[in-house]
Amino acid sequence: QKEVEQDPGPLSVPEGAIVSLNCTYSNSAFQYFMWYRQYSRKGPELLMYTYSSGNKEDGRFTAQVDKSSKYISLFIRDSQPSDSATYLCAMSGTSYGKLTFGQGTILTVHP
Amino acid sequence: DGGITQSPKYLFRKEGQNVTLSCEQNLNHDAMYWYRQDPGQGLRLIYYSQIVNDFQKGDIAEGYSVSREKKESFPLTVTSAQKNPTAFYLCASSPIGGGDEQYFGPGTRLTVT
Repeated sequence: QKEVEQDPGPLSVPEGAIVSLNCTYSNSAFQYFMWYRQYSRKGPELLMYTYSSGNKEDGRFTAQVDKSSKYISLFIRDSQPSDSATYLCAMSGTSYGKLTFGQGTILTVHP
Repeated sequence: DGGITQSPKYLFRKEGQNVTLSCEQNLNHDAMYWYRQDPGQGLRLIYYSQIVNDFQKGDIAEGYSVSREKKESFPLTVTSAQKNPTAFYLCASSPIGGGDEQYFGPGTRLTVT
């Protein structure tokens, strides 16, 4: 079993839809959680960063962490074609060093 | 402009040759990382360095080597011992003690034939 599981999709939604992306993990030591967006043939771009449990909102993006269930989510409201990308979750148990990544979810938002 | 640069964007080599990928950052970050990404897979850590002149192996270090002689530079050498070197290579950096958020460069696509 992988430490971090992420549904690879692909996920296809119409413009304006609410998108829910999810990761589950098995290591209870994880306390730093990140979401990255990666466009084709580009480096990942940090979207959201959260520490421990709770919600964090930034514009159309909301990150949720439920440590009791070992489950994190990224919600995208009013999705746009420009949101079409691969979304990677990542997490770590320390304030330095190694991140563990999910395999990424491919999202397509069609006009 | 602050950021991470990787060069070249595309690299082609013959099997049996060593090749060095460049990574430079001007973010004044202490830690730097090298990842490998294969189609349909997440990122796998090759090597990381938290301070100049020190580095640690990641999960898939075999067939790779690194150096960290300067804070801003962390070159990766893919040696002929790496059995399947064709991949997308990503360099990242992060500030020590600021949480674990890492910032990535644009990547180098290496093709070995």
